[in-house]
Amino acid sequence: KNQVEQSPQSLIILEGKNCTLQCNYTVSPFSNLRWYKQDTGRGPVSLTIMTFSENTKSNGRYTATLDADTKQSSLHITASQLSDSASYICVVGRQTGANNLFFGTGTRLTVIP
Amino acid sequence: GAVVSQHPSWVICKSGTSVKIECRSLDFQATTMFWYRQFPKQSLMLMATSNEGSKATYEQGVEKDKFLINHASLTLSTLTVTSAHPEDSSFYICSARGGQDSYEQYFGPGTRLTVT
Repeated sequence: KNQVEQSPQSLIILEGKNCTLQCNYTVSPFSNLRWYKQDTGRGPVSLTIMTFSENTKSNGRYTATLDADTKQSSLHITASQLSDSASYICVVGRQTGANNLFFGTGTRLTVIP
Repeated sequence: GAVVSQHPSWVICKSGTSVKIECRSLDFQATTMFWYRQFPKQSLMLMATSNEGSKATYEQGVEKDKFLINHASLTLSTLTVTSAHPEDSSFYICSARGGQDSYEQYFGPGTRLTVT
């Protein structure tokens, strides 16, 4: 069964601190893995997208890693800011089909001053 | 680039009426558009996939006669919720993909529908 699981469900950190969000998946055949940031009441915004051959990708203070062998990914946020408060969604794409995106349930991050 | 807009951003309607939501790709041609529904504290659930000029493909459990999708041009797709009921209240998000080889889907900002 194609599934994407994220942990933790929610996280509260102090402004300026770092944090790491986890994503495990069983989607096959794997095509790509994306991390999205979704503010409350808004659509998801892409942070990173990685294919099978990529094991790390950065976008500013966001760094995503991918281990295709263990089917795990992480999103590391450095020097967190209040504006980082949002849901972070891991989405895994499968090779076949018009749309084969499998969504995680997200990690709700709250950054407090 | 790659901006997707939705209109309206929020709408309140009475039970039994129909509501149309528009999804536009502003700076690229979207051969495929997707419609998602998201309930509070849940992830996005795919409702249907539409390709320009052809009928939409609906996910299992989604009533095609209730959620009418039209993708008449490469920049516009519409979702019409017919005979809306309070349980249809949700956050509806569209996404667009341009080119068959493109991995990326660009999401719209979403439309909050409240049915009273």
